[in-house]
Amino acid sequence: AQTVTQSQPEMSVQEAETVTLSCTYDTSESDYYLFWYKQPPSRQMILVIRQEAYKQQNATENRFSVNFQKAAKSFSLKISDSQLGDAAMYFCAYRSYNTDKLIFGTGTRLQVFP
Amino acid sequence: EADIYQTPRYLVIGTGKKITLECSQTMGHDKMYWYQQDPGMELHLIHYSYGVNSTEKGDLSSESTVSRIRTEHFPLTLESARPSHTSQYLCASSVAGVNHNEQFFGPGTRLTVL
Repeated sequence: AQTVTQSQPEMSVQEAETVTLSCTYDTSESDYYLFWYKQPPSRQMILVIRQEAYKQQNATENRFSVNFQKAAKSFSLKISDSQLGDAAMYFCAYRSYNTDKLIFGTGTRLQVFP
Repeated sequence: EADIYQTPRYLVIGTGKKITLECSQTMGHDKMYWYQQDPGMELHLIHYSYGVNSTEKGDLSSESTVSRIRTEHFPLTLESARPSHTSQYLCASSVAGVNHNEQFFGPGTRLTVL
């Protein structure tokens, strides 16, 4: 069975600085997707970034980028130029290539200080 | 505007009551999901549906039941609520072949059973 581990329950960063959130996963599959979701307080969870395992190039979305290390089964999220609106719970998630079931980590609460 | 809605957002009820959590989406998505999220914990899939009259149990055992009579509507029912059902319930939807089956989440219902 696949598992997702987020070892940082809480992280903090100063506005305009860069922060990296860690995620490791365990799987015996070769084809899968990895995601980072953002859940602001009392607001809807939204997809931040997606990585397909067959792609070697790391995904980027504006200020958000990932460091995908397939052999090490590591999938970290880097947030550059942090903004107050980035404060939220961030969940790392795994999905097998041929299913729709998401497997989530326990989340990292990110605080952003002015 | 296409979206996914959940009502109520907050619910406090007594033990033994029957409750239904509503989830509706206006995006025409064929797939819908229910997740359970305890405070500070990861999301666990409890039910999913791939279309009208199709429902399946997820990875986490749940005493709740679901129905899918209309494409846009996926309600979750607890026949007799207990304190152990206290949690946040998140609904999501997706459509095959769009953005790698990306799941869109509702705002959640926070349920407290006294």
